[in-house]
Amino acid sequence: AQKITQTQPGMFVQEKEAVTLDCTYDTSDQSYGLFWYKQPSSGEMIFLIYQGSYDEQNATEGRYSLNFQKARKSANLVISASQLGDSAMYFCAMREGQYNFNKFYFGSGTKLNVKP
Amino acid sequence: EAGVAQSPRYKIIEKRQSVAFWCNPISGHATLYWYQQILGQGPKLLIQFQNNGVVDDSQLPKDRFSAERLKGVDSTLKIQPAKLEDSAVYLCASSLVVTGPSLLAKNIQYFGAGTRLSVL
Repeated sequence: AQKITQTQPGMFVQEKEAVTLDCTYDTSDQSYGLFWYKQPSSGEMIFLIYQGSYDEQNATEGRYSLNFQKARKSANLVISASQLGDSAMYFCAMREGQYNFNKFYFGSGTKLNVKP
Repeated sequence: EAGVAQSPRYKIIEKRQSVAFWCNPISGHATLYWYQQILGQGPKLLIQFQNNGVVDDSQLPKDRFSAERLKGVDSTLKIQPAKLEDSAVYLCASSLVVTGPSLLAKNIQYFGAGTRLSVL
């Protein structure tokens, strides 16, 4: 079974609108972390936002927020007020367990295109 | 603070040749990761070091790939001999070592710009 599933290969959004990128995960661990990364065409993976399994509040970082629904095992990324520079690949990832050396799983990514 | 440094940025070789990639992590980061990212896919972990010890290399094709981190700082990933299917971006990442459920957030991985390998 896939650990991280991103069902949207590609998305379009109009500049200044909000967009939601979907992510579901699969784990039986009680302790885990969920991450979103942005990968522009230059190739570097840029950390955006983190949500811990014990966190009761949804994480927010500027225009990024993570809609964490634990019972549904979903961790959707919401980008508010999209900008042209947001056009990139977006990857959802998970670390199972609480230790640094637990495995880190990436989804297949969603390509976001922001239209002017 | 300097980020994760990788070199070279691009490499073109012929199949059966050898190639090496270098990575210097963020200062103070004990954990170092090498990933392979094939076009259109998410990154796949090849090997993870904690200081100079290997924590996980279960997905490293050991017949042709090798990696070392001799002094617990910078690392080299080698492919010998290369195959066509090795064409990919090789990403290096590093993170601090922090444990405990409330501190898991600090185990964020920071990535370098990657090395794009083309095997002809």
